Amino acid sequence: GENVEQHPSTLSVQEGDSAVIKCTYSDSASNYFPWYKQELGKRPQLIIDIRSNVGEKKDQRIAVTLNKTAKHFSLHITETQPEDSAVYFCAARALGGGSQGNLIFGKGTKLSVKP
Amino acid sequence: EPEVTQTPSHQVTQMGQEVILRCVPISNHLYFYWYRQILGQKVEFLVSFYNNEISEKSEIFDDQFSVERPDGSNFTLKIRSTKLEDSAMYFCASRAHDRGNSYNSPLHFGNGTRLTVT
Repeated sequence: GENVEQHPSTLSVQEGDSAVIKCTYSDSASNYFPWYKQELGKRPQLIIDIRSNVGEKKDQRIAVTLNKTAKHFSLHITETQPEDSAVYFCAARALGGGSQGNLIFGKGTKLSVKP
Repeated sequence: EPEVTQTPSHQVTQMGQEVILRCVPISNHLYFYWYRQILGQKVEFLVSFYNNEISEKSEIFDDQFSVERPDGSNFTLKIRSTKLEDSAMYFCASRAHDRGNSYNSPLHFGNGTRLTVT
């Protein structure tokens, strides 16, 4: 089945700097890769997603890149702000081995943005 | 914006007791899921439900777990005999029908039910 690895587990940056979080996946059939932001005690909230027919997608300060050949995708946050501090999860939609499209999550990256 | 709603927000139960966690998915969604998150860990897939039946389940979803859609709006997760290790946040999620067969509709999570087993 699908396996998603995420790095780093923690990331501390100064306000205004960029943050990059990287994920790899194992199922070459996966075609949908969302990123979720989870604040303490709250639900995961979708912040951006990318489908396998594109290599990059941008939404204001957030961008995601996808390399299907290497099976990795990354989240880029520019001009970080203290309110970006949260745990970020990458995920891949499992399709191989009879899976019905459920999301498999990485272990999360705790991002701390210091003012 | 429509939301997935979950009740209760917090459930405390004794080991061995049965619990039912309730969810109301977004009304036009067709795929329903339960995930759990042990404190400080990743979100783990439990089960998916489509067309009134389980479409997939993980190894976590053993015989102690069951899901049901008793009416047109509710989606429940039952844990028959709770164990200490069942303590976690349980998230319900739903998504709309995919465009074509590309499985590309986003997943929307509820606020979760924090289950504490003592």
